[in-house]
Amino acid sequence: AQSVTQLDSHVSVSEGTPVLLRCNYSSSYSPSLFWYVQHPNKGLQLLLKYTSAATLVKGINGFEAEFKKSETSFHLTKPSAHMSDAAEYFCVVRKTSYDKVIFGPGTSLSVIP
Amino acid sequence: EAGVAQSPRYKIIEKRQSVAFWCNPISGHATLYWYQQILGQGPKLLIQFQNNGVVDDSQLPKDRFSAERLKGVDSTLKIQPAKLEDSAVYLCASSLHEKLFFGSGTQLSVL
Repeated sequence: AQSVTQLDSHVSVSEGTPVLLRCNYSSSYSPSLFWYVQHPNKGLQLLLKYTSAATLVKGINGFEAEFKKSETSFHLTKPSAHMSDAAEYFCVVRKTSYDKVIFGPGTSLSVIP
Repeated sequence: EAGVAQSPRYKIIEKRQSVAFWCNPISGHATLYWYQQILGQGPKLLIQFQNNGVVDDSQLPKDRFSAERLKGVDSTLKIQPAKLEDSAVYLCASSLHEKLFFGSGTQLSVL
């Protein structure tokens, strides 16, 4: 069975400092992995996805994530946080294109001016 | 390109009443999903359709929830009767390949 763990329910950073949101997955296969962002009162938006190509994936708004099979991790990073990055972030795992999509519990990111 | 359409946007009902949500996916998207997102939690998959067939409904409370996708296009999700713990945002999503496109959701309050 697949599952997703997001190690921090809440992360707070100062504007201009790096962001690290952690995600670990459990899957018996090499899964597809995604990060979605949800701003308050807005819909879910895809940030980036990993689908067995390059292990370092670049997404929108300066975010990137690195797939590490040995650590079963897919952490999301950004070199410099912006106020507009404050939102809820979800790590998502999927076994195949037609398999069910499992969301992690989410990490709430706060950015302090 | 039109996105995933959901209605209504908000719904307030009393417990034990019935409610239905409607979703129109992006044209051509074979896979349709219904998620329940309780405040402060990640979306939980309720049911996934591939065309008009059910791929997964293992987390759908079948004693009160039902869903259908007639003709493999639009879908409705029904709750009958509603309980207080059903208060949540119900999200519909569709996909052609791997990327999911989400609707803006229906916010349900059960009083």
